[in-house]
Amino acid sequence: QKEVEQNSGPLSVPEGAIASLNCTYSDRVSQSFFWYRQYSGKSPELIMSIYSNGDKEDGRFTAQLNKASQYVSLLIRDSQPSDSATYLCAVNRVSNYQLIWGAGTKLIIKP
Amino acid sequence: NAGVTQTPKFQVLKTGQSMTLQCAQDMNHNSMYWYRQDPGMGLRLIYYSASEGTTDKGEVPNGYNVSRLNKREFSLRLESAAPSQTSVYFCASGIPGQGVERAFFGQGTRLTVV
Repeated sequence: QKEVEQNSGPLSVPEGAIASLNCTYSDRVSQSFFWYRQYSGKSPELIMSIYSNGDKEDGRFTAQLNKASQYVSLLIRDSQPSDSATYLCAVNRVSNYQLIWGAGTKLIIKP
Repeated sequence: NAGVTQTPKFQVLKTGQSMTLQCAQDMNHNSMYWYRQDPGMGLRLIYYSASEGTTDKGEVPNGYNVSRLNKREFSLRLESAAPSQTSVYFCASGIPGQGVERAFFGQGTRLTVV
């Protein structure tokens, strides 16, 4: 079992709809969770971080964390074609503070 | 504010050749990292340096060496390149502490070994 798992996609969503991206992790004691966006041919950039159970909203983005289920998600409201990218989930391994990465979900927003 | 700067952006090597990837950050971060990214594999840690003067192996260190030259610079060396090292390489720096580790990435180096 991978430490951080994501559906590779592609996930196709119509423009204006809600895109929902999911990530599961195996380390029960992980405390910090991150979503990075990576455009094709570019480097990853941090878009959301979440540390507590529940929802965290930032503009059109909402991160959701459920530690009991070891599940973190990213919702993108009013999806735009510019949101088309690969979204990487990263989880902080407590034992050495390293980030463990999922393989990413490719999101396609169709006009 | 340059952030994390990597050179070169593209490189083609012949099998057996050596090269060094350079990375420098101007954010005064203690931690620096080298990752490789292959299709469908996500980011895999090659080596990291928690502070100046220290380096540690990551998930896939074989075939690589690193040098933390000073707080700003962290280089990655391929002594004898192999086709399996064809990949996109990212340098990153980060802020550790209290279990929160955020990574800031360079623009990447696309390496092809033929």
